[in-house]
Amino acid sequence: DTGVSQDPRHKITKRGQNVTFRCDPISEHNRLYWYRQTLGQGPEFLTYFQNEAQLEKSRLLSDRFSAERPKGSFSTLEIQRTEQGDSAMYLCASSRDRVNTEAFFGQGTRLTVV
Amino acid sequence: DQQVKQNSPSLSVQEGRISILNCDYTNSMFDYFLWYKKYPAEGPTFLISISSIKDKNEDGRFTVFLNKSAKHLSLHIVPSQPGDSAVYFCAASPSNTDKLIFGTGTRLQVFP
Repeated sequence: DTGVSQDPRHKITKRGQNVTFRCDPISEHNRLYWYRQTLGQGPEFLTYFQNEAQLEKSRLLSDRFSAERPKGSFSTLEIQRTEQGDSAMYLCASSRDRVNTEAFFGQGTRLTVV
Repeated sequence: DQQVKQNSPSLSVQEGRISILNCDYTNSMFDYFLWYKKYPAEGPTFLISISSIKDKNEDGRFTVFLNKSAKHLSLHIVPSQPGDSAVYFCAASPSNTDKLIFGTGTRLQVFP
């Protein structure tokens, strides 16, 4: 069990560019979550998957954001036409069952838009 | 609209004493509450949880208390250790969804 893995750990991009982040959950976990955390705030829910189905999306997830989990294993989060306000830590988590049973978080991808 | 509130941004406690971290919530639909600990440059780590049908859950040095009528929960750490120094997040899960709603965190510092 290697835990939840996120790649890259850091990303600096110019405003207007597209970026894609990857998350590899713990292998037997069927639920996968994306959160965003900005300085001084707690993680904010973005979206989650049960297997390959995307079951809920936050209103924070504008049409520039898209997430996929094509085979029910790893997931990608893409941000198109990045804006400076997108600068944040993007966290991925996975759980075996409902999130209240314990969700394991990855170390996050820190995005800086310049 | 902050549904989960941690009104103390920081707390400083002497090693060996009790640390009490507080959390208030507004949504009566929350049915599970969790505490996470976060070190710098790491993702949050699960500590302990409690169902809304209980009022106390204990795991080693960590105890969570839930007061539903006051919509308040607290995390007690006894005895506090320097390694407990971290940011602690309270989180809640609504009964009809699978997401967590986090508070803004409390930075705990345990000094010798």
